[in-house]
Amino acid sequence: ETGVTQSPTHLIKTRGQQVTLRCSSQSGHNTVSWYQQALGQGPQFIFQYYREEENGRGNFPPRFSGLQFPNYSSELNVNALELDDSALYLCASSLGQGRLAEFNEQFFGPGTRLTVL
Amino acid sequence: AQSVSQHNHHVILSEAASLELGCNYSYGGTVNLFWYVQYPGQHLQLLLKYFSGDPLVKGIKGFEAEFIKSKFSFNLRKPSVQWSDTAEYFCAVTPAGFQKLVFGTGTRLLVSP
Repeated sequence: ETGVTQSPTHLIKTRGQQVTLRCSSQSGHNTVSWYQQALGQGPQFIFQYYREEENGRGNFPPRFSGLQFPNYSSELNVNALELDDSALYLCASSLGQGRLAEFNEQFFGPGTRLTVL
Repeated sequence: AQSVSQHNHHVILSEAASLELGCNYSYGGTVNLFWYVQYPGQHLQLLLKYFSGDPLVKGIKGFEAEFIKSKFSFNLRKPSVQWSDTAEYFCAVTPAGFQKLVFGTGTRLLVSP
């Protein structure tokens, strides 16, 4: 069973640039959630994708957007990068099946460390 | 909005000492409760979870947590810590019916041999 993988591991960008982060979900999982973890903080929910549709969003501006592909892998895109976007971005996959989805464990990837200069 | 408070940011213990990490949440409805652990250089992984039933739940590696509804608390305990328990511990909640995890700020535990 392949776990959740993320790429790249590290990334350095400058203010105003755009970035795309990638996540491959665990085999058999159809739901991907993205979290931002700033230094010294717990992860904060950005959004979730279930079967290629956005299925809930946290308190993040529209310049944070995402995609989920038919194979359930996912991308997180951030436009117009700001210094405060520097963080570890975590992807978590799970099996979402309607009302029972809340009981399914979310499996986290290793994260992508984004530094904005 | 939901929020989670972890009172201890850093904890240092000697091996064999007992551990209790505090977690309080703020939410008016039914919640699901979790403790996640991140060992050095590893992914976040689930330690234990509570959905309903017996408020004392047992997790992996000898950890347990008690849900006290009246106190909005879900404290993590271990009777005797080991050096290998050195890690960062995160308490998290989801509103019932959702998978959106709301995390606390984490507690860094250092166990000295």
